[in-house]
Amino acid sequence: EAGVAQSPRYKIIEKRQSVAFWCNPISGHATLYWYQQILGQGPKLLIQFQNNGVVDDSQLPKDRFSAERLKGVDSTLKIQPAKLEDSAVYLCASSLAIRGGRGDTQYFGPGTRLTVL
Amino acid sequence: KQEVTQIPAALSVPEGENLVLNCSFTDSAIYNLQWFRQDPGKGLTSLLLIQSSQREQTSGRLNASLDKSSGRSTLYIAASQPGDSATYLCAVKGDDKIIFGKGTRLHILP
Repeated sequence: EAGVAQSPRYKIIEKRQSVAFWCNPISGHATLYWYQQILGQGPKLLIQFQNNGVVDDSQLPKDRFSAERLKGVDSTLKIQPAKLEDSAVYLCASSLAIRGGRGDTQYFGPGTRLTVL
Repeated sequence: KQEVTQIPAALSVPEGENLVLNCSFTDSAIYNLQWFRQDPGKGLTSLLLIQSSQREQTSGRLNASLDKSSGRSTLYIAASQPGDSATYLCAVKGDDKIIFGKGTRLHILP
């Protein structure tokens, strides 16, 4: 079974530029998560989708971050404009379901390391 | 507001020893707790998931326990190996919010 795919793996941009990350979850997984992990910290949930609907985006800085999950499969996360403090690893994860049983197990992609200069 | 704490932040033990990693959380109203490992520059790998109604889960040399009432979980690693060196994170899910601890960086000394 193929895992969660993310691209690009690395990205370097200057502040005020725009950037987009792409995620392809495990086939059949209804729930998709985007996390931000700053060096030395645990991942922070930015947004959670079930199929193509948003379940939780309470920690997403909506003035500069946006995310979509077209057709309930692939997802993109965009930052526009980027700030220095956005430098982090952006992780995508997927799970079978939101709640209940082994369906809650999250499977993570390798992440995208963003550096903002 | 849920807070998840992992102590210690770093741990070094000789190969072959058994060890325990700790995770504590402030709000006992959780659905589940999940333990992950993260290797440098990599994503997270799920190790064990414990539902709120369960007390423990086992997988190979790993055993995770959950005590909801005291807000604690432990990850027990038996007969540690150099390949176990990684950062171990716990994550708590409650009310559809998932909160991670900062992790414990584990180094197994050959």
